[in-house]
Amino acid sequence: EVQLVESGGGLVQPGRSLRLSCTASGFTFGDYAISWVRQAPGKGLEWVGFIRSKAYGGTTEYAASVKGRFTISRDDSKSIAYLQMNSLKIEDTAVYYCTRDQWVYGFDIWGQGTMVTVSS
Amino acid sequence: EIVMTQSPATLSVSPGERASLSCRASQSVSSNLAWYQHKPGQAPRLLIYGASTRATGIPARFSGSGSGTEFTLTISSLQSEDFAVYYCQQNDNWPRTFGQGTKVEIK
Repeated sequence: EVQLVESGGGLVQPGRSLRLSCTASGFTFGDYAISWVRQAPGKGLEWVGFIRSKAYGGTTEYAASVKGRFTISRDDSKSIAYLQMNSLKIEDTAVYYCTRDQWVYGFDIWGQGTMVTVSS
Repeated sequence: EIVMTQSPATLSVSPGERASLSCRASQSVSSNLAWYQHKPGQAPRLLIYGASTRATGIPARFSGSGSGTEFTLTISSLQSEDFAVYYCQQNDNWPRTFGQGTKVEIK
C-alpha cells in the first residue's frame, strides 16, 4: 500500500524546536518530491515547503511565513522526509501533513497528519 | 504570491443536486490548478489536477473546468459522502497557494 506516515508532533514552548518525520512506503521514495502542508485550528490548508528529488537537485522551497525557521531534508535510504522547525511561534500551531508532490499533477498521496501545539 | 479566492464560502445543497464551486487566481496559472476534498479528521484527497483531469479513483460526478484565472469544480449529483470542504490550489508558481476553501453542507 502506498502511504505516508507523519510522526514527531507534540506540545512545545514558543522559541523551541521540533522535528517532524514523514515515512513513506509502497513506492520508490527517492523518485518523488515531497511537500509539507499545514492546517491551523479552524483555518484552511497552507503550503509550508517542498523538497525536490535528488534527480532534480534535492533543493527546497518555502513559504514566506516559515522561511529561515523551517528546513526540509530527506534521507532516501530510509524513505523519510524531515521538517525541522526552529524558533516556533504560537501561530505555527497546526496539523502538519506530508504529501507526495507530483508538481503540476498535484499532491496525490497525503499522510494522516501530526499535531503540533506551540504554547507556554 | 498568487492569491486564490474561492466562492462561495459555504454552499448549501440537497443530496442529488448539482454543486458548482468557483476558484479565481490573482494572475494566470495556466491549467496548473488542483482541487482537493477535505473531511474532518481525514487527510485531504486529490480530486482534480491540470484543472480538468480526475485523479485516480475519483468518480465521474466530479469535473473541473477553466484555465488562466477562472476555474470551476462541479459535482453533478451530490452524494452523502461529498459533504466536505473543497480547496483549490495553484502549482504554477512558488509559493504554492491554496484557496480558503468552500464548505459544501447539507441543505
